[in-house]
Amino acid sequence: DVKVTQSSRYLVKRTGEKVFLECVQDMDHENMFWYRQDPGLGLRLIYFSYDVKMKEKGDIPEGYSVSREKKERFSLILESASTNQTSMYLCASGTEEAFFGQGTRLTVV
Amino acid sequence: GQNIDQPTEMTATEGAIVQINCTYQTSGFNGLFWYQQHAGEAPTFLSYNVLDGLEEKGRFSSFLSRSKGYSYLLLKELQMKDSASYLCAVRRSGNTPLVFGKGTRLSVIA
Repeated sequence: DVKVTQSSRYLVKRTGEKVFLECVQDMDHENMFWYRQDPGLGLRLIYFSYDVKMKEKGDIPEGYSVSREKKERFSLILESASTNQTSMYLCASGTEEAFFGQGTRLTVV
Repeated sequence: GQNIDQPTEMTATEGAIVQINCTYQTSGFNGLFWYQQHAGEAPTFLSYNVLDGLEEKGRFSSFLSRSKGYSYLLLKELQMKDSASYLCAVRRSGNTPLVFGKGTRLSVIA
């Protein structure tokens, strides 16, 4: 079974904090993705990566950065968290269909 | 740009059949995907269509018409556990990330 694991299920952070969301996959996929999911807006792509050290902006990259130092790990970084970044964050990997992690519900207060 | 439309909510009765439609207008097309997402959980893959026609997988079937930019997901013999959101997603080309619709929340009632 493909496994995509996100480091936290729930997080509460303060405005201005630097936040790291970690994602690890065990299927040797080259492609990894970060989405956020908000009510009424659906899943929106933040960043993606086709290979180690590579990254591409998605539809809503502002306020985020990513890191892919190893093939199995893709990290999403909120440089200075703001309340409008309160959301469900979903990591995915895969070449054909995407396999999703369980999600991290981030609340910024 | 891209536009993927699906109804926001649907309600159907246990044991019945329901069809969830998805229309898309995207710059390129290389496959349409359906995902199921239960509340508070991750989306899970249901089906994939890249050629016109019907793909059947147990109680679930998915149809694609590329000329019409149209797909539907058909759920038969509905069960209470089918209450979930159903997400339509398009791959525009090659290896590009999936673009998702906003999802359809299906409620199955007794």
